Order: sequence, then structure tokens, then C-alpha cells
Amino acid sequence: SQKIEQNSEALNIQEGKTATLTCNYTNYSPAYLQWYRQDPGRGPVFLLLIRENEKEKRKERLKVTFDTTLKQSLFHITASQPADSATYLCALDPPQRGFKTIFGAGTRLFVKA
Amino acid sequence: GAVVSQHPSRVICKSGTSVKIECRSLDFQATTMFWYRQFPKQSLMLMATSNEGSKATYEQGVEKDKFLINHASLTLSTLTVTSAHPEDSSFYICSVLGVGEQFFGPGTRLTVL
Repeated sequence: SQKIEQNSEALNIQEGKTATLTCNYTNYSPAYLQWYRQDPGRGPVFLLLIRENEKEKRKERLKVTFDTTLKQSLFHITASQPADSATYLCALDPPQRGFKTIFGAGTRLFVKA
Repeated sequence: GAVVSQHPSRVICKSGTSVKIECRSLDFQATTMFWYRQFPKQSLMLMATSNEGSKATYEQGVEKDKFLINHASLTLSTLTVTSAHPEDSSFYICSVLGVGEQFFGPGTRLTVL
């Protein structure tokens, strides 16, 4: 079946370290992939979009990679801060679903001071 | 990016009553809005696509007669949960389709007693 997998276990890291979150998908061929941040009780906030012909994209302390062969995206936060603590969602707009966005369940990140 | 608001942010109602949730695009004319539902620790699930001036498109398994959507203007879409039941308790989030990304509202927490 078609699905998006994100690590359901929370990721706990120390302030200043790099956080790496993984998004794997099966049976999709998305033209691009997105990452969102969601704080408790709030709607998602768009962070980055990476297209299938882009291997890597950066925005300030954020870096996203996209491997269409492995069907995987990695999301990195360098020099992490306690304010980075949130749930991070991976999302696809696959043509197989009429380009309607589908979301992973997210990975909860805790950055300890 | 677009600023999206939702009202109310929280609502508690009795079983069998109807609840209306408003989604407003404050600075962007939105021909397309989306309604999602999110249960605790689960991914956002698309319920329907709201199109200004026409009928909404519902996802499979979503009852259109129970979840009434009206998109009467380019800045307002409403979701009415009719005859709400405890299993309808969830976090309802709307989004506005911009250019290449979605802008999400802050969400509405619905609790049906």
C-alpha cells in the first residue's frame, strides 16, 4: 500500500547538536516533497520544499535531502536549539493522488538545553 | 505568505448538535481551500477540497452530508459538522493553496460530549 513513514519515536538531542529526521515513502513518485513544523495544538507551518531533480536544499540551519531512488528524505537541523522542539511532518503531493498533499504522522523532536 | 485564521479555536458541544468552523484567508484570495482532520499522534487526513463558487470535493470515506462545506467567497470557507458525535472529536485544520505551498490555519479543537 502507499504510505509515508516517519519515525514515531521521539527524538531527543542535546542543544547544539544536529538533529536528523527521516521520511520514507513507498509506491509514490512525487515531483516534490515538503517538510512542515507543527507545534502542539497548532496548524503546520511550511519549512522547505525540495523537487525531485534537487538532491539537497538549505535554508538557514535547515537542510533537506531527497533521494528518489531510495524513496527517502532526510531533514537536518544544525546547531539545534530548545526552540526547535516540535513535531516535524513530511508531506508529498503525488500525481497518483491527484497532487493532493498527504502527510506523514510526524516525528517529535525534543532539544534539551 | 498567506495568513489564515480559524474560528473558533476550541469548541465543546453536546452530541447531536451542529458546529460551524470558519476558515478565513486574511490577505490572499483563495479559490481553493482544504479541510483536514487530525487525531492525536496521527497524520493530517484530507477531508475535502473547498472550491470557491462550486461544490466541495470530498475524500473517500468522508460523508458530505455530515461535513458541510461552503466556500462562498475568496476569503471564507466554512465547515459544519452536523449532528456531531463523540467520534467526531478531533483537531480540524484548514489550509489555503498558494503558489507551491499550503498555508495552514491554527486549527480548531472540537470536543463532542
